[in-house]
Amino acid sequence: AQSVTQLDSQVPVFEEAPVELRCNYSSSVSVYLFWYVQYPNQGLQLLLKYLSGSTLVKGINGFEAEFNKSQTSFHLRKPSVHISDTAEYFCAVSEADSWGKLQFGAGTQVVVTP
Amino acid sequence: DSGVTQTPKHLITATGQRVTLRCSPRSGDLSVYWYQQSLDQGLQFLIQYYNGEERAKGNILERFSAQQFPDLHSELNLSSLELGDSALYFCASQIHSPGHYNEQFFGPGTRLTVL
Repeated sequence: AQSVTQLDSQVPVFEEAPVELRCNYSSSVSVYLFWYVQYPNQGLQLLLKYLSGSTLVKGINGFEAEFNKSQTSFHLRKPSVHISDTAEYFCAVSEADSWGKLQFGAGTQVVVTP
Repeated sequence: DSGVTQTPKHLITATGQRVTLRCSPRSGDLSVYWYQQSLDQGLQFLIQYYNGEERAKGNILERFSAQQFPDLHSELNLSSLELGDSALYFCASQIHSPGHYNEQFFGPGTRLTVL
């Protein structure tokens, strides 16, 4: 079994400032890692994913994340946020040999203010 | 727009009733997943179907059941509803191709309110 911990439930940030959302996971097997974003009253949209290879992955809307196997982390970053980045962000893990069910973290609410 | 459709968007019903939620996956996707999102439990995996067959089960109650039809659309049936079943129910579909392992596309969800 695996688990995902998102260390911050809410992150307030000013417009054009950088943001980092922290995610740690635990699993006894190899995993795939994902970040999803949920805008108000919408479904989840995939931001980026790590399957293998380079530990730095780039996604949509200027987001990137770094996989750190030794620290079992997959933190999400954006160098400069916009008001439109206000949303809830979910880290998810899937066992590499599973049928793809996702285990989600509790989510981090990002609130961007001018 | 993810290409995954869910109906209805909203559903209000009473305790003890039964409802059916419907999901149509993206064209070509064979897998359908159901998730429940609630304030106290967060996002929880319920069940997965692949090409009509059940493949994985998560925290799905015995009062809940699902199926996937030959045209690949799926239905989630919730019966003997309780107040605690009020939640957002998401359907997701999945590509099965190299480079897209376990990448899931989510529908807009059905918001169920049990009164």
